[in-house]
Amino acid sequence: DQQVKQNSPSLSVQEGRISILNCDYTNSMFDYFLWYKKYPAEGPTFLISISSIKDKNEDGRFTVFLNKSAKHLSLHIVPSQPGDSAVYFCAARGNAGGTSYGKLTFGQGTILTVHP
Amino acid sequence: GAVVSQHPSWVICKSGTSVKIECRSLDFQATTMFWYRQFPKQSLMLMATSNEGSKATYEQGVEKDKFLINHASLTLSTLTVTSAHPEDSSFYICSALNPLRRRYQPQHFGDGTRLSIL
Repeated sequence: DQQVKQNSPSLSVQEGRISILNCDYTNSMFDYFLWYKKYPAEGPTFLISISSIKDKNEDGRFTVFLNKSAKHLSLHIVPSQPGDSAVYFCAARGNAGGTSYGKLTFGQGTILTVHP
Repeated sequence: GAVVSQHPSWVICKSGTSVKIECRSLDFQATTMFWYRQFPKQSLMLMATSNEGSKATYEQGVEKDKFLINHASLTLSTLTVTSAHPEDSSFYICSALNPLRRRYQPQHFGDGTRLSIL
């Protein structure tokens, strides 16, 4: 049961244009969503996050939008740069307590390629 | 920012060998660390949650006797793949959670360990 889905395995955009990466989830108990960037043979690097009480969070070129009713979030990168080329994972955290607090469920990832 | 160090970054060994991977939180005390596994072109799959001073919590389908986790200090968690076989070859990644700021704080990941069993 894939609770977090990134339905686009890859995305190709031109430098300077907007990149939009999408993520859907099924578990309404998720209370915190994150986007990570990952290069091959490296661990994920945190990019931006949003709590379930908000619908938008912006940090420089990166903006995350959350539509709770649709259980959908998206990451906008504008303007896109060649250095943004990487695999992008969305992740969601449940709000259950106990010893498993904070565990994340990841989507499958989207490979973003930004062409010069 | 927070730094998580993972060692070794790459291991090649013979089938039947046990391999230990270390995950260190360098600038905060992490009562909770997580161990993930990633197969090529797939998502990160949580294997277990490592809690300092208590037993690890394993995800369904993960053999606890195969993947031994020890979290003996607030800055170190280890994953030991016992009697590794070729099917255990994968990319293993740890992460740490800052307990003082965990409400809306991200997990910080190590750079991962590429394990290749011959």
